[in-house]
Amino acid sequence: DQQVKQNSPSLSVQEGRISILNCDYTNSMFDYFLWYKKYPAEGPTFLISISSIKDKNEDGRFTVFLNKSAKHLSLHIVPSQPGDSAVYFCAATGNAGNMLTFGGGTRLMVKP
Amino acid sequence: DAGVIQSPRHEVTEMGQEVTLRCKPISGHNSLFWYRQTMMRGLELLIYFNNNVPIDDSGMPEDRFSAKMPNASFSTLKIQPSEPRDSAVYFCASSLGDVSNQPQHFGDGTRLSIL
Repeated sequence: DQQVKQNSPSLSVQEGRISILNCDYTNSMFDYFLWYKKYPAEGPTFLISISSIKDKNEDGRFTVFLNKSAKHLSLHIVPSQPGDSAVYFCAATGNAGNMLTFGGGTRLMVKP
Repeated sequence: DAGVIQSPRHEVTEMGQEVTLRCKPISGHNSLFWYRQTMMRGLELLIYFNNNVPIDDSGMPEDRFSAKMPNASFSTLKIQPSEPRDSAVYFCASSLGDVSNQPQHFGDGTRLSIL
């Protein structure tokens, strides 16, 4: 029973365009959400997070949107750059505090 | 600042052997996590320590797996005896556990292959 789902295993985008990565969750107790980026042969790197009291958080080219009623979040990257090519994981946590539940990841390819 | 350090980076061993994976968390972090990544199951949490005490080990797959954290700067994940289905990438992560909503920082993982 996957509580966090990333339904698109891969996404290809042209450099300079917007990349939109999506994530859905089922557990209503989740109240904090994170995105991680992972390059091959490296560990996941924290990118951006959002608390359930907000619906948007922005950090430079990266913006995360949260729609609690739909149990959906998305990561927007604008403009996309070739260096953004990586696997992106959505993660969520709730009353359990630090325990993260990860989605399956989306491989983003940004073409020059 | 040094990040989370894991060793070895790669481990190849034969079925039935004991395997020990090591992790040094970021200095000052008091929560430590062990994850396993496989194609089939993605990233799954195995065990979580806070202040060196195991808090939740419900993700540990079998009794063949054990984890210890003897002090704040070191943890091990042991598999004995190892089986081919244990082949995966094992990640260690740490965070400031007593500060709410602090992100976990990951090591670069140990790629384990059991022949």
